[in-house]
Amino acid sequence: GESVGLHLPTLSVQEGDNSIINCAYSNSASDYFIWYKQESGKGPQFIIDIRSNMDKRQGQRVTVLLNKTVKHLSLQIAATQPGDSAVYFCAESGGTSYGKLTFGQGTILTVHP
Amino acid sequence: EAGVVQSPRYKIIEKKQPVAFWCNPISGHNTLYWYLQNLGQGPELLIRYENEEAVDDSQLPKDRFSAERLKGVDSTLKIQPAELGDSAVYLCASSPRGLAAYNEQFFGPGTRLTVL
Repeated sequence: GESVGLHLPTLSVQEGDNSIINCAYSNSASDYFIWYKQESGKGPQFIIDIRSNMDKRQGQRVTVLLNKTVKHLSLQIAATQPGDSAVYFCAESGGTSYGKLTFGQGTILTVHP
Repeated sequence: EAGVVQSPRYKIIEKKQPVAFWCNPISGHNTLYWYLQNLGQGPELLIRYENEEAVDDSQLPKDRFSAERLKGVDSTLKIQPAELGDSAVYLCASSPRGLAAYNEQFFGPGTRLTVL
């Protein structure tokens, strides 16, 4: 079936470094992508989204890049802080999954002071 | 603005017992979702409501799971009887726009169910 997956299950960085979290998706009909952050004991929290007519979108300290040719999505976090430590999920929607989000496995980001 | 509210936050039951989870979405959000999340995995959709209508329940195990959203606001998810494999976090989410393709979902804190 169609799925969204992550290349790396864990990422460990030093405070102040930039972090890059990657995601591969298989549904070529997907046209909307979201990154969520989930801290322990909490529900996923929206970080940033991007539509398929864009290849880059920036937020506060975060940038999402979309490469539709290779069906790859990445989340870049600038000047990573200990508070960024969490599990990050990418999710996609579109095609036959109109209005429905399909989540990937998740990447654990650990930021060391 | 209050977020999505879920209760209880934690529930421990013995297998074969019934259990129910409650969700109050963000005010004005017509679309409500129930997800199941296993440890280390992303949420998996169980059912989606547009107002009081279940528009996608294809992933809901209907032999033991049921859900309702009678007045198009609060929703209840029930499991009867619970099995060991049902231990997971049950997340509720809501979104403001119905079947829009670009549709941010806002999640509640979830209910962690442990079946012994």
